[in-house]
Amino acid sequence: DQQVKQNSPSLSVQEGRISILNCDYTNSMFDYFLWYKKYPAEGPTFLISISSIKDKNEDGRFTVFLNKSAKHLSLHIVPSQPGDSAVYFCAASVTGTASKLTFGTGTRLQVTL
Amino acid sequence: DTAVSQTPKYLVTQMGNDKSIKCEQNLGHDTMYWYKQDSKKFLKIMFSYNNKELIINETVPNRFSPKSPDKAHLNLHINSLELGDSAVYFCASSPGALGNSPLHFGNGTRLTVT
Repeated sequence: DQQVKQNSPSLSVQEGRISILNCDYTNSMFDYFLWYKKYPAEGPTFLISISSIKDKNEDGRFTVFLNKSAKHLSLHIVPSQPGDSAVYFCAASVTGTASKLTFGTGTRLQVTL
Repeated sequence: DTAVSQTPKYLVTQMGNDKSIKCEQNLGHDTMYWYKQDSKKFLKIMFSYNNKELIINETVPNRFSPKSPDKAHLNLHINSLELGDSAVYFCASSPGALGNSPLHFGNGTRLTVT
């Protein structure tokens, strides 16, 4: 049972435009959400997170939005840069229990010139 | 200076062999993890140790045995390797076992079983 889903396997965006990556989850117990970025032959790198008590968290060019009622979160990157080209994983966990992240299958973002 | 390092980066071996993957973190974290990324790109947790104590043990064949000699190290030993064990194995660490803290991942070990 896939509790975290990223339905778009790939996304192509022009440099300077906004990239929007989406993620849906089914487990209503999840209360902490993260985005990771992964380059080939490297491990996932933490990008940004959001707690369920918030609906938005911003860090520079990256903003994560959380819609709890829809069980949906999104990552906005603006402006997109060629170095942002990578696979982005959404992850979720239940706090107060042994830390265990449940990951989506990733979205490959390509930022073109 | 690499925060979470795993060795080897690539491992090619035959079915039936026994192999180990080593992981070390220099972040001073209390909790370490093994994740497996299979051919469908799912990243799934296998084990977690907090201060050398096993706290998460997902449904993993008992051919897989983690060992944590101290809180900075978490090794993974795999007995009687099978074709289906081919995957990328990621080690990770976090400051604690509870709460909202992101995991820091190593660069992975690509295991190929022939």
